[in-house]
Amino acid sequence: DTEVTQTPKHLVMGMTNKKSLKCEQHMGHRAMYWYKQKAKKPPELMFVYSYEKLSINESVPSRFSPECPNSSLLNLHLHALQPEDSALYLCASSQVRNNEQFFGPGTRLTVL
Amino acid sequence: GQQLNQSPQSMFIQEGEDVSMNCTSSSIFNTWLWYKQEPGEGPVLLIALYKAGELTSNGRLTAQFGITRKDSFLNISASIPSDVGIYFCAGPPLYNNNDMRFGAGTRLTVKP
Repeated sequence: DTEVTQTPKHLVMGMTNKKSLKCEQHMGHRAMYWYKQKAKKPPELMFVYSYEKLSINESVPSRFSPECPNSSLLNLHLHALQPEDSALYLCASSQVRNNEQFFGPGTRLTVL
Repeated sequence: GQQLNQSPQSMFIQEGEDVSMNCTSSSIFNTWLWYKQEPGEGPVLLIALYKAGELTSNGRLTAQFGITRKDSFLNISASIPSDVGIYFCAGPPLYNNNDMRFGAGTRLTVKP
């Protein structure tokens, strides 16, 4: 299995809602990533987990809360988001010592 | 954060033509990666480069890791309509292997 899956594919939420994005991989990768991508822009790294521990937090606002419950799963908990947080959220995974990241198809998030 | 300068920003070519795009950085990279992203999808890894001077091919795609370790190029030969998409260079800074940075992307349009 060489696939990274993400759910949901689309999400619309209000600024007071709490929601979660989910990512899963079964390639045995021990590094997992969250990226944010705005339209016509490159992906921007948000968080990196290495061996299920948070190793990089790119100064992301606390309304985004990542969680890595096990080596196959990565969650991104969302709370009190702003309209400017609307974007494509991409999950990726790789071996820890190898930068060949495999991306999921993303979750298209709209904040109203 | 680390800047990757990618050019050209966009290309409009005729089917059958060859394409070349490049990426430069002010700092040394240990790894250069080239990704392709199509609408509504996550980036797909095309080629990974790990050694200065390395030249690697993947079908009609050829990429090189610059000798100075501060640049890379991607060539596509005999383009076809399904080559349409956005091509990104990416790589981690020397000081942090998991901190992936992306170039701004090259948007390729192929006219049949």
